[in-house]
Amino acid sequence: GAVVSQHPSRVICKSGTSVKIECRSLDFQATTMFWYRQFPKQSLMLMATSNEGSKATYEQGVEKDKFLINHASLTLSTLTVTSAHPEDSSFYICSAIGLAGIAGHEQYFGPGTRLTVT
Amino acid sequence: LAKTTQPISMDSYEGQEVNITCSHNNIATNDYITWYQQFPSQGPRFIIQGYKTKVTNEVASLFIPADRKSSTLSLPRVSLSDTAVYYCLVGGSGNTGKLIFGQGTTLQVKP
Repeated sequence: GAVVSQHPSRVICKSGTSVKIECRSLDFQATTMFWYRQFPKQSLMLMATSNEGSKATYEQGVEKDKFLINHASLTLSTLTVTSAHPEDSSFYICSAIGLAGIAGHEQYFGPGTRLTVT
Repeated sequence: LAKTTQPISMDSYEGQEVNITCSHNNIATNDYITWYQQFPSQGPRFIIQGYKTKVTNEVASLFIPADRKSSTLSLPRVSLSDTAVYYCLVGGSGNTGKLIFGQGTTLQVKP
């Protein structure tokens, strides 16, 4: 199946700093990418939808100025957590839909990035 | 987006068949039903997807009744490595592919 990668796999940063997480579709072009956040023992929570060449659409309650999303190409989307605080510590997961994927709705997920803010 | 309801947890033993049923009473005409598996600290892994009737692949079967208001994921002869959280999601092409995750079903396979 299609492969989605994330980098880094885990990151530790100090409170107040910014962290960038990359999501790449390795063997297909992704028209749409999604960013999720998952806290321990909880389900995935959709944060935003990212479309190549346009602004991201954020879910209600997600601060767009804090979680900056850039979908610069059909294979790369980045999530930047700005001025991170300990409560932003979480597991961040991206997913992607390929050019031919919309009809079947098959979404491929990355391995996730563990962010710890100290 | 249609809401889904699944059992929070299930227990099984190695070698047994496991059936997890998901309710989605408000499924829309163009919605597909997709199941994912997630292990701790990993991204969800696609298991199977269907629209109606029965779909089978190398790891699972998906049964969807005619009214499509529910679906059942069937895992044949589970092993310890099938212990994971299983998510049922409903979505279609009309909503740009957005998927909303419910709580999922935690399957515990015992020896």
